Amino acid sequence: EAGVTQFPSHSVIEKGQTVTLRCDPISGHDNLYWYRRVMGKEIKFLLHFVKESKQDESGMPNNRFLAERTGGTYSTLKVQPAELEDSGVYFCASSPRGGLGTDTQYFGPGTRLTVL
Amino acid sequence: QKEVEQDPGPLSVPEGAIVSLNCTYSNSAFQYFMWYRQYSRKGPELLMYTYSSGNKEDGRFTAQVDKSSKYISLFIRDSQPSDSATYLCAMTSGNNRLAFGKGNQVVVIP
Repeated sequence: EAGVTQFPSHSVIEKGQTVTLRCDPISGHDNLYWYRRVMGKEIKFLLHFVKESKQDESGMPNNRFLAERTGGTYSTLKVQPAELEDSGVYFCASSPRGGLGTDTQYFGPGTRLTVL
Repeated sequence: QKEVEQDPGPLSVPEGAIVSLNCTYSNSAFQYFMWYRQYSRKGPELLMYTYSSGNKEDGRFTAQVDKSSKYISLFIRDSQPSDSATYLCAMTSGNNRLAFGKGNQVVVIP
């Protein structure tokens, strides 16, 4: 069974540009999560989709970030315009059921974003 | 105050030693506690999961949770070079929003 995949693995852009990150969850997983790790900090939650609906977007830092999950399959996270502080590793995770914290989240390898 | 504190200092141990890692937390709503292992250039992988206070053992790994002290631990017995990785504690109140510690880089020296 294929795991969570993310594309690209690494992206280098200049401040003010736009970048779109993609996540393909494990097939059949209704729940999809985005997390981010900024250098020197812990991994932080960004948002949670259940199918195509945003269940919880309390971790999104500001309106420069837009996440979508059309059709409830893959998801994209767009940063527009990118700022220096957006640099970090963006992880995607998926889980089959959601529920009361008992659902294992499977993580992708992450996309390393560098904003110059 | 951070929700989860994990002293991020690296840890080097000789093969066969016991590795001891711990985290403290401030949010009393946390009910589910996890340890993730992350190899270089990979995503975090769930290693251990516990609910509420107590011990859980899985092979060479033991996870402990003390909710009264808001303290969780992970012990690795008979450590192997293949255990060299970053270990992250994570926890949630049940809303699927994981709160992570910064992680400990563990190196097991053959």
